[in-house]
Amino acid sequence: EIVMTQSPPTLSVSPGERATLSCRASQSINNNLAWYQQKPGQAPRLLISGASTRATGIPARFSGSGSGTEFTLTISSLQSEDFAVYYCQQYNNWPPTFGQGTKVESK
Amino acid sequence: EVQLLESGGGLVQPGGSLRLSCAASGFTFSGYAMSWVRQAPGRGLEWVSAISGGGGTTSYADSVKGRFTISRDNSKNTLSLQMNSLRAEDTAIYYCAKAPTPYVSAAELDCWGQGTLVTVSS
Repeated sequence: EIVMTQSPPTLSVSPGERATLSCRASQSINNNLAWYQQKPGQAPRLLISGASTRATGIPARFSGSGSGTEFTLTISSLQSEDFAVYYCQQYNNWPPTFGQGTKVESK
Repeated sequence: EVQLLESGGGLVQPGGSLRLSCAASGFTFSGYAMSWVRQAPGRGLEWVSAISGGGGTTSYADSVKGRFTISRDNSKNTLSLQMNSLRAEDTAIYYCAKAPTPYVSAAELDCWGQGTLVTVSS
C-alpha cells in the first residue's frame, strides 16, 4: 500500500501568518490527494480534493498544490479557528491511505 | 443538509462482537458508496471498509478482513458494520463517511459522521 508521510508533525504559527504543510507519497498518486481538517473532539472535514480543489464552503485562504509524490497545503493567513490537525489522504490506489497528520498550533 | 449519525459503540471484551450503525439523511443514500474509517485514541486515521451504493461490492482493510462485515439497507438509509472477534487493537472511534460516487473506488470522503467509540478491553 502507498505510504503517506506528512511534515512537520507539529507547526507553530502565529495568527495572521502563513502555514505550509507538506505531504509525500511513497509512489506517484497523480493528483488523487485530499486534505482534511480535524479539530479536537470533532470528525474530519474535507478541505481539498484533487490536490487543489476546495470543497464546498472552504475559505479561499486554504489552497492545495502538487502532483505525483509531493503535495502542499497552504493556509495563507491563519485564523484562530484554523488551529487543528490536518491529514492528507491518497485515493489513487486501493486501499486509500492517510498521512499521520500535522498539528497546527498557536505560537 | 447531509447528516450521518453513528451508534452502537461501547465496551466489549476481547473476542466479543459489536454492531455499529450509521443513519444517513439529506442525500440520496443509494447513490453513494460509504466507508467506515477508524481512529485509535490519539492516533491517525485508518480506512476500515467500504461498500458500493447498491451494496453489491465491498472491500476491507487487511487488518479486519474475515472479522468485520459491512452492509447497507438503502430502504432505511442505514449503513452497518458487524464486528466479530474483536481485539484490543480495534479500540477506536469509528466514523462513517460518504464518498462522492456510487463505486467502491479509492476516493475522497466528502462528509463524515461524528463517530462512535468502541473500546475492546477485559
